[in-house]
Amino acid sequence: AQTVTQSQPEMSVQEAETVTLSCTYDTSESDYYLFWYKQPPSRQMILVIRQEAYKQQNATENRFSVNFQKAAKSFSLKISDSQLGDAAMYFCAYRSEGEHGNEKLTFGTGTRLTIIP
Amino acid sequence: DVKVTQSSRYLVKRTGEKVFLECVQDMDHENMFWYRQDPGLGLRLIYFSYDVKMKEKGDIPEGYSVSREKKERFSLILESASTNQTSMYLCASSTAGSYQPQHFGDGTRLSIL
Repeated sequence: AQTVTQSQPEMSVQEAETVTLSCTYDTSESDYYLFWYKQPPSRQMILVIRQEAYKQQNATENRFSVNFQKAAKSFSLKISDSQLGDAAMYFCAYRSEGEHGNEKLTFGTGTRLTIIP
Repeated sequence: DVKVTQSSRYLVKRTGEKVFLECVQDMDHENMFWYRQDPGLGLRLIYFSYDVKMKEKGDIPEGYSVSREKKERFSLILESASTNQTSMYLCASSTAGSYQPQHFGDGTRLSIL
């Protein structure tokens, strides 16, 4: 079974600085998807960024980018120019590429990010 | 604006009660999901549905059932609530071609006394 590990339960960063959240995963598959989700306090969880394992290029979404190291099974999230609105719980997630019935996401335990004004 | 609406933000029930958690989405999404979120455990999939009247077990289906009679509504049922089912429950939905959750509800914080 796949596992997703987020080794940093909590992190903090000064406003306008850059922070990197780590995520590692364990799988024997070669094709899969990786995701970062953001859950602000008392607000809905939203999808931040997605990476297909077959793509070598790292995904980016505005101030959010990933460092995908397939061989190392590492998928870190970098947030540049941190803003107060980035304060949230961040979850890393893995999904197999496969036929119907194999769509389950496996989530990590989350990293709570605090932004220091 | 797209919406996934969960009927209650907070719910308190007693052990042994039958509990219904309702979720409605207005995006005509085919896929709907129920997750449970606990500190230190992340999100765990209880059940998901990829079509009306279709359901698939997730990682922790024991003690739960679901119902999807209409496309927009996905109900989670605790047959006989127990204290270890005290948790935050999240509903989510996605389009047919996108099996990861795209939109989440606000969550229902359920306490079983």
